[in-house]
Amino acid sequence: GQQVMQIPQYQHVQEGEDFTTYCNSSTTLSNIQWYKQRPGGHPVFLIQLVKSGEVKKQKRLTFQFGEAKKNSSLHITATQTTDVGTYFCAGSFNNNDMRFGAGTRLTVKP
Amino acid sequence: NAGVTQTPKFQVLKTGQSMTLQCAQDMNHNSMYWYRQDPGMGLRLIYYSASEGTTDKGEVPNGYNVSRLNKREFSLRLESAAPSQTSVYFCASSEATPREYFGPGTRLTVT
Repeated sequence: GQQVMQIPQYQHVQEGEDFTTYCNSSTTLSNIQWYKQRPGGHPVFLIQLVKSGEVKKQKRLTFQFGEAKKNSSLHITATQTTDVGTYFCAGSFNNNDMRFGAGTRLTVKP
Repeated sequence: NAGVTQTPKFQVLKTGQSMTLQCAQDMNHNSMYWYRQDPGMGLRLIYYSASEGTTDKGEVPNGYNVSRLNKREFSLRLESAAPSQTSVYFCASSEATPREYFGPGTRLTVT
């Protein structure tokens, strides 16, 4: 079935280090979204990528959509303690079905 | 403008009991969703409603029923709760784009 794989499941970094989470689908996605969920909170939309090879930046966050529209990544430069949380990708397939990745839980040591 | 609201925030049920989770949105969105979130499994879609009067099954519908009461409200019912339904339940809504707005969640424990 259609699914989106996300790695790693956990990432622990020292404050100031970089962080990357990856999402991959076996079939082409029409678009991909990224969400952040703080501990005890609910998912909050970060961004949507639609075009092949698209790269978008939000301050220290860089989002990429692969050329084949089957993979995506979120990179955080110089992590801060405020970046703590779980980052989810959500891929939309051509049949309008959307699947969330399992999430990457980021912890940051001050 | 409250966005998406859910009640209750917490609930403990015994196996076999029933309950209804309530969700309302004030953004005039057509689409509403119910997800469950379990550790290590992300969010899985239970049911969704593309518009008032319609509902469709998602990825994990077994053991649940839904009602789209009107454009604002979308409820999720557990007729006979099971321990496997212990989870955090999120309601979400969206308009034309896939971007979804989530409610604060309901933490349900079934003993």
